Amino acid sequence: SQQGEEDPQALSIQEGENATMNCSYKTSINNLQWYRQNSGRGLVHLILIRSNEREKHSGRLRVTLDTSKKSSSLLITASRAADTASYFCATARGNSKLTFGKGITLSVRP
Amino acid sequence: DAGVIQSPRHEVTEMGQEVTLRCKPISGHDYLFWYRQTMMRGLELLIYFNNNVPIDDSGMPEDRFSAKMPNASFSTLKIQPSEPRDSAVYFCASSLGRLAGGETQYFGPGTRLLVL
Repeated sequence: SQQGEEDPQALSIQEGENATMNCSYKTSINNLQWYRQNSGRGLVHLILIRSNEREKHSGRLRVTLDTSKKSSSLLITASRAADTASYFCATARGNSKLTFGKGITLSVRP
Repeated sequence: DAGVIQSPRHEVTEMGQEVTLRCKPISGHDYLFWYRQTMMRGLELLIYFNNNVPIDDSGMPEDRFSAKMPNASFSTLKIQPSEPRDSAVYFCASSLGRLAGGETQYFGPGTRLLVL
């Protein structure tokens, strides 16, 4: 079963706006990772947040983690047309594998 | 490094034929993962290896699927016999260490398989 569930499933915004994507999960985790997939390509790692962290930044990306609510959010600020892609959250537990959600399709209109 | 390399990039075959997908992980990475992606089921982990040893194959759909990793730089995923429902994009990924320990995955470009 899917550990991560992203919300919304699809998001369409104007270039320059901020995009917020949410992810919920069911069990305790060691870390949560966000990946991006451009059409026809493999997934690319964006950012990782550990279970003892609450917020991390990387460039225009900001990720938060609330372990009490078992949820995470990914914020992309000042979006660009090139940010158009699918975004996946993935959780890592005590083993060596990730469990991915079904992804969010982000469309950024020029 | 060239990243994770997969071949072929596209494969069209007929039902009942054998299909072999190939993967070369990033040099030095200890973990190798095979995934399948479809619109209906999303991204599914099929099997993963640590130091060439299969650790978890619980995601392998059925006996028609098999995976091997004869050495640290090569892995294969074989489907025999193939069926139309196997049509999907198959990804190989590798990581330097344990994902739970904070390592991340590097994905190959995928093999797009169509079984007619």
